[in-house]
Order: sequence, then structure tokens, then C-alpha cells
Amino acid sequence: QQQVKQSPQSLIVQKGGISIINCAYENTAFDYFPWYQQFPGKGPALLIAIRPDVSEKKEGRFTISFNKSAKQFSLHIMDSQPGDSATYFCAASRGNFGNEKLTFGTGTRLTIIP
Amino acid sequence: DSGVTQTPKHLITATGQRVTLRCSPRSGDLSVYWYQQSLDQGLQFLIQYYNGEERAKGNILERFSAQQFPDLHSELNLSSLELGDSALYFCASSPLAGNTGELFFGEGSRLTVL
Repeated sequence: QQQVKQSPQSLIVQKGGISIINCAYENTAFDYFPWYQQFPGKGPALLIAIRPDVSEKKEGRFTISFNKSAKQFSLHIMDSQPGDSATYFCAASRGNFGNEKLTFGTGTRLTIIP
Repeated sequence: DSGVTQTPKHLITATGQRVTLRCSPRSGDLSVYWYQQSLDQGLQFLIQYYNGEERAKGNILERFSAQQFPDLHSELNLSSLELGDSALYFCASSPLAGNTGELFFGEGSRLTVL
């Protein structure tokens, strides 16, 4: 059972454009939503994370938008750069009181073209 | 560099064989997680250890087992290998036992079963 659905599977954006990756979750008990970035040959690394008490979190060019009622969250990359080309994973987990570990989406391969 | 070390980086073996993957967590981190990454399944949580004790189990096959030693390094044992076990196996560590907070991933062990 896939609890976090991620789209699109791949995305090509022109340099300077906005990259948008979407995720939807099913478990309403999830309360921690991170995004991980993975470069080829490397392990995933935390990019940015949000908790459901806010609807948006921004760190530099990266923004998470969170819609609790729709059970959706998205990653926006402003002014996308070739160095942003990587695979992005959304994830979700249920705080410290459950055994559900981070559940990852299936990933989005982002390519930024000049 | 995440500070998590995984060995070996690459491993090629035959069906029916047994392999052991090793992980050294970041200094001071008590939790070790194992994830399997395949092309179509994304990152699948296998198992977590916290300070030597099994903390949570995910989609880990009965042919697979893991343990965390007193020095906090962990090993993932894969036996009776099948072609479908070919994947990237990631180890991650964190200082926490719970489900939120940053996971620090190693660079993975790529297993190819022929």
C-alpha cells in the first residue's frame, strides 16, 4: 500500500523557471513532511521539511506548500538552476508515537536545461 | 559527506547466495535505518535499530535480517538471494528514536544478483 503518491515521475524545466513537484498522502495521522534530494551516486539528503501547523515554508529558492484539507503538499523550486538537477523524494511520517517510519514517494527526476 | 559509511559500494553475486552489507552510522547517532531503493518502488523502509534493539520493522523479507552491534554499526544480511533483490540498499542514521527529524543517508550498496 503506497501511502504517499508523488508526481510527476520526471520533469524537465528550463533554467530560471519554476519546478513544481506534488505529493498526496492518505494517512491523516502523518504530521511531518520532508523533502529529500538525491544526486546520482549519492544517498538522499534532507532539503526542507514542514509540519502541518503551517501552510508554507520557504528556504531560499525552495518552498513547501501544504494543504491539510486536501492531504497534499508540494515542492516549488524558484529560478531553477542546472545544479538543481536531481531526484526529489517527498516523504511523510507520524510523529514520535507510532512505528510508521518515513514513507517515501516514488521520486521525481528533475532535469534543468539551459 | 553525511558521515554515514556503507560497505561494500558494489556487490555482484549469484542467485541463492548470501551477502552482508555493513553500515557505520554518524558519530553519536543511536538509530540506524535500512532502506531498499529499486527503480519502480522508490525507497522502501526495511528495518530500524535503536541503541542495539530492533525498533521498527517495515517491508523486510524473512530472508533478510539485520542487527546493530554494541559499537552501533549495523549489518544487513540477505540470504537465498533472488534476481528481484537487485537494488540499492541504503543505511541512514539519526540521533533520535522517533519518526521525525533528519535522516542522514550513506551512499548506498548496489547489489546485483545474476
